[in-house]
Amino acid sequence: DGGITQSPKYLFRKEGQNVTLSCEQNLNHDAMYWYRQDPGQGLRLIYYSQIVNDFQKGDIAEGYSVSREKKESFPLTVTSAQKNPTAFYLCASSISAGGGYTFGSGTRLTVV
Amino acid sequence: AQRVTQPEKLLSVFKGAPVELKCNYSYSGSPELFWYVQYSRQRLQLLLRHISRESIKGFTADLNKGETSFHLKKPFAQEEDSAMYYCALSGGVDSSYKLIFGSGTRLLVRP
Repeated sequence: DGGITQSPKYLFRKEGQNVTLSCEQNLNHDAMYWYRQDPGQGLRLIYYSQIVNDFQKGDIAEGYSVSREKKESFPLTVTSAQKNPTAFYLCASSISAGGGYTFGSGTRLTVV
Repeated sequence: AQRVTQPEKLLSVFKGAPVELKCNYSYSGSPELFWYVQYSRQRLQLLLRHISRESIKGFTADLNKGETSFHLKKPFAQEEDSAMYYCALSGGVDSSYKLIFGSGTRLLVRP
């Protein structure tokens, strides 16, 4: 089955720790995206990547970092600099030539 | 600036009633508009896009460039339509195909 997989589903982190969220796709999509979903605010773009070894900041990149070393993978690191990291994180991919996104099932991060 | 506005956080209707979920956008070029839906405990998924001009699950949406709107409509709501609906905009190649989402509208269809 082609798809996009996010892991883990739930993640707990202590304040001051960095944590990495995994996103893998086998759809052969060039573009990948990370969004943060908060109640009442919809989805806000954190980072996106159109091609391997290249990525751009989205609207709320501060406190986050990404890498795109492989076409299939686009991990997101939530650093200790992120002031309010507790949220639901969604990864998506798309064919660069437009069209709809395919979303993962999300990771819920809670800082304790 | 690119922006998508969904003015209603919650829309509650009775089964069989017409539904219209509002979406207005701000974009200087020629945008692509989408509706995404998230059913309970399921992934966010594409419902329809304006360039396809299709009807999915009885829903339609027409792009009105004059009013900068892309409202989602269905003549007779069903209970299974209850979900969170997001309107989204892409500037195409000009914006690297990234999507800007509205804040979402929760549709509740009561029996």
